[in-house]
Amino acid sequence: DAKTTQPPSMDCAEGRAANLPCNHSTISGNEYVYWYRQIHSQGPQYIIHGLKNNETNEMASLIITEDRKSSTLILPHATLRDTAVYYCIVRVFIFRSNSNSGYALNFGKGTSLLVTP
Amino acid sequence: DSGVTQTPKHLITATGQRVTLRCSPRSGDLSVYWYQQSLDQGLQFLIHYYNGEERAKGNILERFSAQQFPDLHSELNLSSLELGDSALYFCASSIQAGAPTDTQYFGPGTRLTVL
Repeated sequence: DAKTTQPPSMDCAEGRAANLPCNHSTISGNEYVYWYRQIHSQGPQYIIHGLKNNETNEMASLIITEDRKSSTLILPHATLRDTAVYYCIVRVFIFRSNSNSGYALNFGKGTSLLVTP
Repeated sequence: DSGVTQTPKHLITATGQRVTLRCSPRSGDLSVYWYQQSLDQGLQFLIHYYNGEERAKGNILERFSAQQFPDLHSELNLSSLELGDSALYFCASSIQAGAPTDTQYFGPGTRLTVL
């Protein structure tokens, strides 16, 4: 199972781009990288996911290196409401039998992003 | 708003008691997942149900059990409660049972306090 490594905390000025790095050096070829965030004690919020190509949606961009061993989540114009814990996740496959298996999200500790005025 | 609903929002109970947490998935989603978030353990996967069938288990205690009903809502039952069970409990749902892009969407959580 792939594990991820993220810096524990980062700061970003409001209006600037926030670049959150993640290492996932043991990721396998068919595993996607997911990003979620959790604002205070709210439910985790899905941001974006990707396999090998760069991805962009209305919330963020995801840049994945060619060797897929690391990725960067980019919030192009951070606002105070983007202050949250950001999790980079590679899903964990749980096999129980040929008819029963599933995936879990292994959240880790994430990066606590503080956006300042 | 993710479309996943959880009730109740807050629950305060005493040690030794039993509680039931309820989750309604997004419309059309067949999978339901339960996670526990405590201060010292972070977000931990408990269990996954797909279309009424248990599919995967994490480090879920034997005192905890879950089920998914024909209308696809799910309940997490916690019994013989201990102080250490105080935590946020989140439910998530997804369309399928684990396709590579099967995204999980989380509810707002239930905060359980055991006194």
